[in-house]
Amino acid sequence: AQSVTQLDSQVPVFEEAPVELRCNYSSSVSVYLFWYVQYPNQGLQLLLKYLSGSTLVKGINGFEAEFNKSQTSFHLRKPSVHISDTAEYFCAVSDFEGAQKLVFGQGTRLTINP
Amino acid sequence: GAGVSQTPSNKVTEKGKYVELRCDPISGHTALYWYRQSLGQGPEFLIYFQGTGAADDSGLPNDRFFAVRPEGSVSTLKIQRTERGDSAVYLCASSLILVGGTEAFFGQGTRLTVV
Repeated sequence: AQSVTQLDSQVPVFEEAPVELRCNYSSSVSVYLFWYVQYPNQGLQLLLKYLSGSTLVKGINGFEAEFNKSQTSFHLRKPSVHISDTAEYFCAVSDFEGAQKLVFGQGTRLTINP
Repeated sequence: GAGVSQTPSNKVTEKGKYVELRCDPISGHTALYWYRQSLGQGPEFLIYFQGTGAADDSGLPNDRFFAVRPEGSVSTLKIQRTERGDSAVYLCASSLILVGGTEAFFGQGTRLTVV
């Protein structure tokens, strides 16, 4: 079984500042890793995913994440945030065997202050 | 094209009543998933379908919950004898195929409130 821990429930940052949202996972098997974003009153939207290959993954809206197998982490980063990035961010894993049976973290609320 | 559609968007029901939540997946998507998101939590897996059959229903909390997908497209999540603890946002997602790593597209959810 897998589990996901998002270490920060809330992250406030100023506009144009860099941000890192932390995600650690636990699994006894190889996994796929995902970051989803949920804007206010909208459904979950895929930001990026790691399946294999390069450990640095680039996604939409200028976000990127780095897979670190030894630290079992998949932290999300953006060098300069915008007000429109205000949203809830969810890290998720699924294992190789099954389908898209995602195990989500509890979410990190990113608030951008002007 | 249209995304995943869930109806109703909001449902308020009395404790003990029966409710049905509907999900229209993206056309052509063979895999369909139901998740439940309680306040302040991430989504939790309930069940997924490949075609008409429930491939994995291990996330259903108890036998009051049941889901069907009779024609391999629209799915209905059914909750009998609702309890206040069932209050949550119920999310549906679909993907083109049932392969790990395939992107799942989520609907906006149905907010169920049991009073």
